[in-house]
Amino acid sequence: DVKVTQSSRYLVKRTGEKVFLECVQDMDHENMFWYRQDPGLGLRLIYFSYDVKMKEKGDIPEGYSVSREKKERFSLILESASTNQTSMYLCASSRGDSRNTIYFGEGSWLTVV
Amino acid sequence: AQTVTQSQPEMSVQEAETVTLSCTYDTSESDYYLFWYKQPPSRQMILVIRQEAYKQQNATENRFSVNFQKAAKSFSLKISDSQLGDAAMYFCAYNRETSGSRLTFGEGTQLTVNP
Repeated sequence: DVKVTQSSRYLVKRTGEKVFLECVQDMDHENMFWYRQDPGLGLRLIYFSYDVKMKEKGDIPEGYSVSREKKERFSLILESASTNQTSMYLCASSRGDSRNTIYFGEGSWLTVV
Repeated sequence: AQTVTQSQPEMSVQEAETVTLSCTYDTSESDYYLFWYKQPPSRQMILVIRQEAYKQQNATENRFSVNFQKAAKSFSLKISDSQLGDAAMYFCAYNRETSGSRLTFGEGTQLTVNP
């Protein structure tokens, strides 16, 4: 089975802190994604990556950055956390083209106080 | 830009009955993929069913089937013989042929199954 692992399930951070959310997949997938999930808004794409060291902005990249130094790992970085970034963050991965299934991690609940 | 709309924030069904969840989408593309994902309380998103736009035949997976109406841009999910384990948030999602798995999601429908 494909495994997408998010290192932290629950985090509480203070406003202004730098926050790292880590994601690892074990199926050699080319694509990796970070989504944010909020009630009534569904999932919104923050950033995605098609290959190592490559990244592209999604629909809501403001306040976030990403890093993909190795194929299996995709990190989401909040440079200076704010309360409006309190949310559920979902990492996902897939093989190259559009027809392939996307596999999700279990999510990371981030609360910024 | 593509949009996906799920107009039913909440639905409920009696165990063993059938329920249909609605989804509409907006696109100018001719080739694309549509998905239904299930998110149970554990939060692990699971693929339920997938439909390729070029296929006229509706996809079916056991108790789950879709009604794909390409001209109407409608993609509803039918769950037959509902079970307690079907209770979850259901998301409809769209992926165009050239976007490399970049999904656009609807708002979600929370399904409750009553015993």
